[in-house]
This record gives sequence, structure tokens and C-alpha cells, in this order.
Amino acid sequence: NAGVTQTPKFQVLKTGQSMTLQCAQDMNHNSMYWYRQDPGMGLRLIYYSASEGTTDKGEVPNGYNVSRLNKREFSLRLESAAPSQTSVYFCASRWTDSNQPQHFGDGTRLSIL
Amino acid sequence: KQEVTQIPAALSVPEGENLVLNCSFTDSAIYNLQWFRQDPGKGLTSLLLIQSSQREQTSGRLNASLDKSSGRSTLYIAASQPGDSATYLCAPDSGSNYQLIWGAGTKLIIKP
Repeated sequence: NAGVTQTPKFQVLKTGQSMTLQCAQDMNHNSMYWYRQDPGMGLRLIYYSASEGTTDKGEVPNGYNVSRLNKREFSLRLESAAPSQTSVYFCASRWTDSNQPQHFGDGTRLSIL
Repeated sequence: KQEVTQIPAALSVPEGENLVLNCSFTDSAIYNLQWFRQDPGKGLTSLLLIQSSQREQTSGRLNASLDKSSGRSTLYIAASQPGDSATYLCAPDSGSNYQLIWGAGTKLIIKP
């Protein structure tokens, strides 16, 4: 019953450093999503992947890149971290061919100093 | 562009009360609407999903209604318990690239 697994859970970076947030799901879902959540705001979509081999920009893609490595895994990369990217990052997955809800990981809390 | 508003932003009530959380959205052309719960430091857990053709969905003490034409959904919580304390978020699904648009949530505190 792993569901959606995100690593790491916490990370502190210095401005300009790079890192990759990992996400894996074991539910055979075809769509995967990366969101960021900031205080007082709703979740904002960074990138999504409707199926293996495809990725598309969401609402706030600047400063991020993604890779849909296979059906299970969807990673988010910060090439040159900025303080404005301090946030909680959530990965989610779902079936997109029916009325099924999204399933979320527990998040990665990222601080950029 | 779909915009979602949740009112109130925060709510604190004694245990046992029945509650209504509100969600409004600007674009009524939705595929479904989902309600989620978020506990502190955790991810989101799906509570209810109402398809566009449905008026309401029930799960235990939770009942969600949907009025597409007026752009509104409500989440009714019966006989609230301290364990219901969490942030509740609604998200209409416009079906466009399967993206959800999120409200900022209602932070609910149930006092014992």
C-alpha cells in the first residue's frame, strides 16, 4: 500500500544549487503531477505528464524541469535554486480516463537559503 | 480561467456541531469536483468526488453537493469530531489536460 512515494521529505539548499525531487507511484496510473504549495495559496501545478513519454507545463513551470522516466516515476529538477522556490512540493498521480481522484505523496519540504 | 474560492478560510467549532464548508468556482464547465483533506505536514487525501452529472455524494458523515449552474459546492460534516480537524480543499476538474484548479482551503479546528 505504498501509493505515491516522494523523496526526500526535507531538504535545505543554498541559492544556486541544484537538486532533483523523486516521485514514484505503484498504482499503475498513467498521469502524474508536480505541485507546489505556499502558505495562503492553493496548490499550483508546475508540470504534469498525461502519459509515459509526455510532459507539459502547468501554471508555474519557470525554474523547473521534469522527467517521466517510466510509467512509475516522475522527477522534478531545480537547476539553480532560488529563495522563491522555497515551498512544499507534492507529487500526485491518477487515472485520467475516468472519474478517479488524484492520489498524493506526503510532500517534500524544501528551503532555499 | 477557472478561479476557486473557499469560504470561510478558517473555522473553529466545538465538537458535535454540524458544519458546512463552501466552495465556489467561476467556470461551470467542469468534469467533476473533488474534495480533499490535508492534515498538517501531510499530503492530500481524497474525500469525495462528484461527477458533473451528479448532485451529491456521501461518505459516512460527509456529504458533498454540487450545483454546476451556480458554480457552487458544499461539504457538509455531520456530528463533527476532533479528528476532523484538518484543512479541506476543493478542486474542480475542467477536463482540460486533466488539471485540477485548487482553492486555498478551509482550516477546520474541532474543539473537544
